[in-house]
Amino acid sequence: DQQVKQNSPSLSVQEGRISILNCDYTNSMFDYFLWYKKYPAEGPTFLISISSIKDKNEDGRFTVFLNKSAKHLSLHIVPSQPGDSAVYFCAASLGGGADGLTFGKGTHLIIQP
Amino acid sequence: DTAVSQTPKYLVTQMGNDKSIKCEQNLGHDTMYWYKQDSKKFLKIMFSYNNKELIINETVPNRFSPKSPDKAHLNLHINSLELGDSAVYFCASSQGAGGAKLFFGSGTQLSVL
Repeated sequence: DQQVKQNSPSLSVQEGRISILNCDYTNSMFDYFLWYKKYPAEGPTFLISISSIKDKNEDGRFTVFLNKSAKHLSLHIVPSQPGDSAVYFCAASLGGGADGLTFGKGTHLIIQP
Repeated sequence: DTAVSQTPKYLVTQMGNDKSIKCEQNLGHDTMYWYKQDSKKFLKIMFSYNNKELIINETVPNRFSPKSPDKAHLNLHINSLELGDSAVYFCASSQGAGGAKLFFGSGTQLSVL
C-alpha cells in the first residue's frame, strides 16, 4: 500500500534546462512534505521541505510546489546542473514528525551535458 | 568528522549467522532511527529511539534488536539472518522526536548468502 508514489523511476534532462520531479500521495492527513537527494553509496540528504499550509517553497535553484486538492507535489530544479544527477526521494509525514516519515521509491534524475 | 557514521559499509554473511551494525552521530541529536531500503527501493522505518528509549517499533521480526547505550549511539543486532534480510540499512538522527529533517548515515549493504 504505497501512500507516497513517485511514478517515474527515472528522468533525463539536459543541463541548463528545468527538471520537474513529481510525487503523489494518498493520505490526506499528511501535513509536511520533504525531498531528499541521494548519491550512490551515500545516505539520503535533506534538500527542501514544505508545510501543508503553504503551496510553494523556494531555496535557490530548488522550488517545491504543493497542490493539496490533487494530493500532488513537485520539485523544480532550474537550471539543472550535472551535480544534480542523483536519486530524489519524496517523503511525507504526519504532524511534522520524523516518526511518521513515509518515503516514495525515488526518481533517478540524470542530467545530460 | 562524519555527522552520522555507520559500520560496516558492506556485510556479507551466511544464513543463520548473527551480525551487528553500529551507528554513531556527533550532531547532539536526541532521536535516532534505523531504516531499511529493500530490493524495491522503498525506505521504511524500522525503529526510532528518543534519548535511548524506544519510540517506534514497526512490524519488524524480533530477530532484529536495536540497542542504544547512549543517545549518540544506536546499534542494530540481527539474529539468525535470513535471505530476505538482504537490503541496505540506514541509520539516521534528528533533533527531537518531532523533527522531520533526518540526517542519514551512508548505509550498510547487507548480503545474506
